[in-house]
Amino acid sequence: QKEVEQDPGPLSVPEGAIVSLNCTYSNSAFQYFMWYRQYSRKGPELLMYTYSSGNKEDGRFTAQVDKSSKYISLFIRDSQPSDSATYLCAMSAPFGDGQNFVFGPGTRLSVLP
Amino acid sequence: DTGVSQDPRHKITKRGQNVTFRCDPISEHNRLYWYRQTLGQGPEFLTYFQNEAQLEKSRLLSDRFSAERPKGSFSTLEIQRTEQGDSAMYLCAVDSSLPETQYFGPGTRLLVL
Repeated sequence: QKEVEQDPGPLSVPEGAIVSLNCTYSNSAFQYFMWYRQYSRKGPELLMYTYSSGNKEDGRFTAQVDKSSKYISLFIRDSQPSDSATYLCAMSAPFGDGQNFVFGPGTRLSVLP
Repeated sequence: DTGVSQDPRHKITKRGQNVTFRCDPISEHNRLYWYRQTLGQGPEFLTYFQNEAQLEKSRLLSDRFSAERPKGSFSTLEIQRTEQGDSAMYLCAVDSSLPETQYFGPGTRLLVL
């Protein structure tokens, strides 16, 4: 079992749809949870960051963490064609003097006009 | 603009050649990370620096790979005797102002023929 699993996609939705992206993890030591957006041939861009269980909202994006179920989600409301990208979940746990960062394989999203 | 530049952006080389990549954070960052990303996968951790000290190396980092951060600012990643399996995007990341998150550079895409 991989440490972080993510819905593989690809996912294709019409403009304006609500998108749900999900990841599960196995390491209960993970403390910080992130979502990155990666456009084709670019580096990942930090989108959302959360530490505790619960919801965190930023504009059209909501990140949800359920530590008891080891499950995180990213919701995108009123999706736009410009949201078309690969979405990577990431999480980190203390390791030595730093943090161990682990990424999911990503879900490719296409929002069709 | 994440404040991290990488050079070159693309590199095509023949198997057996050596290649060197450079990562330049615009401002000071204590921690600097190198990742490798292959098609359809999330970034995989390679190594990490705290200032100029290389603190952690992944099993993925074979003895053909070496990384340096001589003055605690820019970093280089060298691959000796490249193999076709080394073809990937090589990403550099630095710690961000948010606790335990990272900003990524645009990456260097390597193709080994």
